[in-house]
Amino acid sequence: KAGVTQTPRYLIKTRGQQVTLSCSPISGHRSVSWYQQTPGQGLQFLFEYFSETQRNKGNFPGRFSGRQFSNSRSEMNVSTLELGDSALYLCASSSGTGVTGELFFGEGSRLTVL
Amino acid sequence: AQSVTQPDIHITVSEGASLELRCNYSYGATPYLFWYVQSPGQGLQLLLKYFSGDTLVQGIKGFEAEFKRSQSSFNLRKPSVHWSDAAEYFCAVGAGTGGFKTIFGAGTRLFVKA
Repeated sequence: KAGVTQTPRYLIKTRGQQVTLSCSPISGHRSVSWYQQTPGQGLQFLFEYFSETQRNKGNFPGRFSGRQFSNSRSEMNVSTLELGDSALYLCASSSGTGVTGELFFGEGSRLTVL
Repeated sequence: AQSVTQPDIHITVSEGASLELRCNYSYGATPYLFWYVQSPGQGLQLLLKYFSGDTLVQGIKGFEAEFKRSQSSFNLRKPSVHWSDAAEYFCAVGAGTGGFKTIFGAGTRLFVKA
C-alpha cells in the first residue's frame, strides 16, 4: 500500500507570494490533517478534513486555507507569504473513523520564504 | 483545551544505556496518547499508542510507555538504546474519534553517544 505523498518536497518563495501544497493520503483513508513544523515550536495543528469537510481548525490566520477533494486528496494554500511561514508542512492521513487515531505522515513539504 | 508538555528539549544517552523521555498531558476526558518518532528528513512514525486497558503499552523498536493517570504522564522508555535510536520523539494526545485533532508536544531530540 502506498504511503502518504506530499508534493512538492521543497520550494522557495518570496514574501507576498502564495503557495499551494498537495497531499495524497493512503488509499482508503478519508481524513487528512495538516501540520506546520518549525524548530522550537514542534508541530502546530493547521486543520483536518474528512470527506471534503473541514472538521477542525487550529489557530492560524486566514491566510492559511485548505480543501479536500472527493478522492480524499488535499491541498493547503498560504497566501501573502511572510518570512515566518518558512517551515516544514506535514500532511497526515487516517481512516477518520473509529477510535484508532493513528496518523500516517508524509515526508513533508519544506517551504522557504525569502 | 488539551495540551502536551515534553520538559526535555534534548537528551544525550550512551549507547546501551536506558532511556526515559517524559511527557505530561492536559485533557479533560480519557486521553488517547501516542508517541511518534521522526528521523532526520523524514515524516513521523508511530511508536506506540494508549487508548485504554493495560497502562503499560509496548511499541515497535523495543519501546514501551506507561500511562499514569494520577500524574497525567505518559513516559516513553527503552531498556537499552541503540545508535539508530537518535531522532526526535513527539508525545501527542488525540481528541475525539478518528484522531481528527491530535496535539503534539514540542518534541525531545535524542542524541546517542558511543
